[in-house]
Amino acid sequence: GAGVSQSPRYKVTKRGQDVALRCDPISGHVSLYWYRQALGQGPEFLTYFNYEAQQDKSGLPNDRFSAERPEGSISTLTIQRTEQRDSAMYRCASSLSGSLVVTDTQYFGPGTRLTVL
Amino acid sequence: GNSVTQMEGPVTLSEEAFLTINCTYTATGYPSLFWYVQYPGEGLQLLLKATKADDKGSNKGFEATYRKETTSFHLEKGSVQVSDSAVYFCALKSGGSNYKLTFGKGTLLTVNP
Repeated sequence: GAGVSQSPRYKVTKRGQDVALRCDPISGHVSLYWYRQALGQGPEFLTYFNYEAQQDKSGLPNDRFSAERPEGSISTLTIQRTEQRDSAMYRCASSLSGSLVVTDTQYFGPGTRLTVL
Repeated sequence: GNSVTQMEGPVTLSEEAFLTINCTYTATGYPSLFWYVQYPGEGLQLLLKATKADDKGSNKGFEATYRKETTSFHLEKGSVQVSDSAVYFCALKSGGSNYKLTFGKGTLLTVNP
């Protein structure tokens, strides 16, 4: 079946512009996650949705970052007034059960490489 | 808080060599442990996992044993192939946060023919 998809795969933008990154999870997956991965580092947690409810946004670095999942399926991560330090790979993942089961497996998408000039 | 420390890379091996990538962790509660792999140009894929002490996860010839006494989850493979060339990430989820993965920095493995 289809995996997690993300679009665009690559995004180059100028400092100060807003960007929207899209994630389409595996069909039927309850939970959705966003991570950010700097070059040479492992992914770092940003936020987590259970259905359409944003359960945890503690990893969002500041109020320029926001995420939504209005119908419990597709999610959008928005970065307003981008800065060069926002350049990174943004990864989305989805899972079947979320916080109900600690062994629940997260399936990752290919990521969106964001470059802010 | 939770943290994962992985062996620094890059690691370069010849085909059929033995592989070990070390991983140690600090966590609250009783974590579940994971190894993810990222092949060139692809997303992260779960390689194997272990959910309690002394469990051994295995997949595609890779193994890792959850050692609570040494807080370790080292990845091993007896005979690597060129196709194993990838970045390997050790990760954990703790019982206090069933959804948040904490990753190590990753180890780049290159296998030469």
